[in-house]
Formats: sequence, C-alpha cells, structure tokens
Amino acid sequence: DVKVTQSSRYLVKRTGEKVFLECVQDMDHENMFWYRQDPGLGLRLIYFSYDVKMKEKGDIPEGYSVSREKKERFSLILESASTNQTSMYLCASSPSRREKETQYFGPGTRLLVL
Amino acid sequence: DQQVKQNSPSLSVQEGRISILNCDYTNSMFDYFLWYKKYPAEGPTFLISISSIKDKNEDGRFTVFLNKSAKHLSLHIVPSQPGDSAVYFCAARHTTSGTYKYIFGTGTRLKVLA
Repeated sequence: DVKVTQSSRYLVKRTGEKVFLECVQDMDHENMFWYRQDPGLGLRLIYFSYDVKMKEKGDIPEGYSVSREKKERFSLILESASTNQTSMYLCASSPSRREKETQYFGPGTRLLVL
Repeated sequence: DQQVKQNSPSLSVQEGRISILNCDYTNSMFDYFLWYKKYPAEGPTFLISISSIKDKNEDGRFTVFLNKSAKHLSLHIVPSQPGDSAVYFCAARHTTSGTYKYIFGTGTRLKVLA
C-alpha cells in the first residue's frame, strides 16, 4: 500500500512565523504535489515536483516555497505566515508511468494562522 | 477561470438508489479524468478514472461516463450506501512538455440517507 505521511495533522502559528510542512512518501514516486483545500474552492495546486531538486509552480504559489532534496520528501514552506493561509494542506504523490495515473494523498495538515 | 466545474455543491440520495455526480470541463486537452472521495479529516482517496479515449469505465458499484463532445463527466454509484456519504471531487489531468498536473473541481457533498 502506498503511504503518504504529513508531519502534523494540526498546526497553530502566528502571523509572520516561518512554517514548514513536511510530506514523505514510501513508494519511490517521482512526482509530488502540494494542494490547499478551502470551502467552495476545492483543491488548488500550490507547487509540484517531478524529480529531486525540481519544482514547478502551480496555480497559487504566492507566499509559498518548496524543497525537494530527497525523492521521498517534499516540503512546503510558508516564509511569513499570514491569516489568509489558514487552510487544509494536502500532499500527494504519483508515479511517472502514464497508464492508470492516480495521486495518493496524505491525511492533510489543518493550519490555523492567528 | 475554473476549468473543472462541479455545479452541485451537495446531493442527497436514498440508500439503494442511484447517485449521479456531475462534472464539466472546458479544456479539450485534458487526457485523463479521475474521481476522488474524501471523508472529513482525511485526504482524498482515488475512486475511479477514465482515459479521454474511452467513454465508460466500470468498477463494481461505480461507473464513470465521459462525453467528450459535451465536455462532461459523470459518476454513477449503484446502489448507494450510507458509507458512500462523503465529498466527491472530479479531477482532470493536463500534460504539457512532459510534465502534468491535475485540476480539481470544487467538490460535491453526497449524503446517502438510510
């Protein structure tokens, strides 16, 4: 079974703090993704990575950065947290094989920025 | 610009009846479509997918239909069970320059009444 784990289920941070969200997958997947989920907006892609040290901006990258130093780990960084970054953050991974593509999601991190 | 739309935010269905969840898209370059199910406080889990070259895919109680000319996708659940109560997201894959990303709809909350 594919397992995607996220470092925290719940986080409370203050405005201006630097926040690290960690994601680890154990299936040797090439691709990893960070989304945020907000009511009425669905899942929106923040950043994704298709290889170690490679990253691509998604639809809403502003205020975020990412790091992928190892294949299994993809980190999302909020350089200076703001209240509008309060959200559910979801990490996902997928293999590169084109057939039967799907993403496997972690349980999510609910972040509250005060 | 919402490329993938789920126009019904919620749906209630009696146990044993058919649930039909709909999804519309605007980009004819999407090559793969997926449905995910999400329970509260959990990450989305993959349910069923369909390639853009097919018009139907069936897996047990779940069938996905694709109408490319109408740019419309639907998920049928027959018979519906109380455990199917969740939020359902449709997603479309877009491939450019050898990399790809998934665009998600806003979700439909299905409630199956016992």
